[in-house]
Amino acid sequence: AQTVTQSQPEMSVQEAETVTLSCTYDTSENNYYLFWYKQPPSRQMILVIRQEAYKQQNATENRFSVNFQKAAKSFSLKISDSQLGDTAMYFCAFMDRDDKIIFGKGTRLHILP
Amino acid sequence: GAGVSQSPRYKVTKRGQDVTLRCDPISSHATLYWYQQALGQGPEFLTYFNYEAQPDKSGLPSDRFSAERPEGSISTLTIQRTEQRDSAMYRCASSPNSPNLAGYTGELFFGEGSRLTVL
Repeated sequence: AQTVTQSQPEMSVQEAETVTLSCTYDTSENNYYLFWYKQPPSRQMILVIRQEAYKQQNATENRFSVNFQKAAKSFSLKISDSQLGDTAMYFCAFMDRDDKIIFGKGTRLHILP
Repeated sequence: GAGVSQSPRYKVTKRGQDVTLRCDPISSHATLYWYQQALGQGPEFLTYFNYEAQPDKSGLPSDRFSAERPEGSISTLTIQRTEQRDSAMYRCASSPNSPNLAGYTGELFFGEGSRLTVL
């Protein structure tokens, strides 16, 4: 069975700094998708970025980028020039070839003014 | 509909009672997921549907939990003989298509959730 592990329960950084959130996963599949979701205090779930496993190029969305290391089964999220609005829970998620999606336990990120 | 709708938003019940939670996904979304989320934790997978088929229900905690999506649209999650440990937020999400189709984004559209409290 696939698993997703986020080893950092909580992190704090100063506004405008860069922060990296870690995620590792375990699977025997070769083709899959990985996601980062953001959950602000409103409890809404917002897709931040996604990565197809067959693509070697790391995905980028404005200030958000990933470091996808397929062999190491690692999928970290880098937030550059962090903003107060980035304060939220961040969840790493894995989707298998059958569309099943599982989430990690999350990292609570605080951006400090 | 404009978004994923879940009802009731809040449900308080006594231990031993049955509860049914409803999810109305975005129209034509093929895939529907149910998750259980405790405060400050990640969504725990319960089950999912592709249209009316239920490929995986391995996340359902016990046989007291069941889910249906008989016509491939609205889904219900039923918990029989509720226990206090069932207290949680139950979240439904839908997705428009599969990775094999053009335009796939992988984005899940979540409902507001149903908060269940078992006394």
